[in-house]
Amino acid sequence: GENVEQHPSTLSVQEGDSAVIKCTYSDSASNYFPWYKQELGKGPQLIIDIRSNVGEKKDQRIAVTLNKTAKHFSLHITETQPEDSAVYFCAASRSNSGYALNFGKGTSLLVTP
Amino acid sequence: DSGVTQTPKHLITATGQRVTLRCSPRSGDLSVYWYQQSLDQGLQFLIQYYNGEERAKGNILERFSAQQFPDLHSELNLSSLELGDSALYFCASSPSVGGDYGYTFGSGTRLTVV
Repeated sequence: GENVEQHPSTLSVQEGDSAVIKCTYSDSASNYFPWYKQELGKGPQLIIDIRSNVGEKKDQRIAVTLNKTAKHFSLHITETQPEDSAVYFCAASRSNSGYALNFGKGTSLLVTP
Repeated sequence: DSGVTQTPKHLITATGQRVTLRCSPRSGDLSVYWYQQSLDQGLQFLIQYYNGEERAKGNILERFSAQQFPDLHSELNLSSLELGDSALYFCASSPSVGGDYGYTFGSGTRLTVV
């Protein structure tokens, strides 16, 4: 089955700096790659997603890039703020699995003022 | 509030017992997904239902079962509980049979087996 590796497991940045989280996947048939943010005591919240026919997508301070050849995708957060502190999960899925998500282990991001 | 409602929020039960977790999807969503989150395994897909029918199955134990009712709410039944079943159980919903427009997760049920 699909295996999603996520790095780093923890990341600490200063407010205003950028944060980058990287994921690799194993199943070349995967075609949908969402990113979720999970705050303490809450469920994961979708923050951005990308499909395999797109190389990059941006939404304000958040961007995701996808390299299908290398089977990796990355989350970029610019101008980080303390409220960005949370656990971030990448995931990969494919259409013939009902888009059941295979998640990475998560990255705990801490943004210090 | 995400629009996905899970009850109860917390559940403490003994080994060998059976529990039922309930999920009401976001209004208009026909797909319901169940996930288990634990420290060692992370977020693991259990099962998906779409409009009352099972559509995909993940790492769901035989002791676990689920169903989706005509009003689209779903229940996850966990039986013969073991200590290792202690985890957060999330329900998510999406409008389509595929989740490629993104899921909306509920806030979870924290199950503690003692």
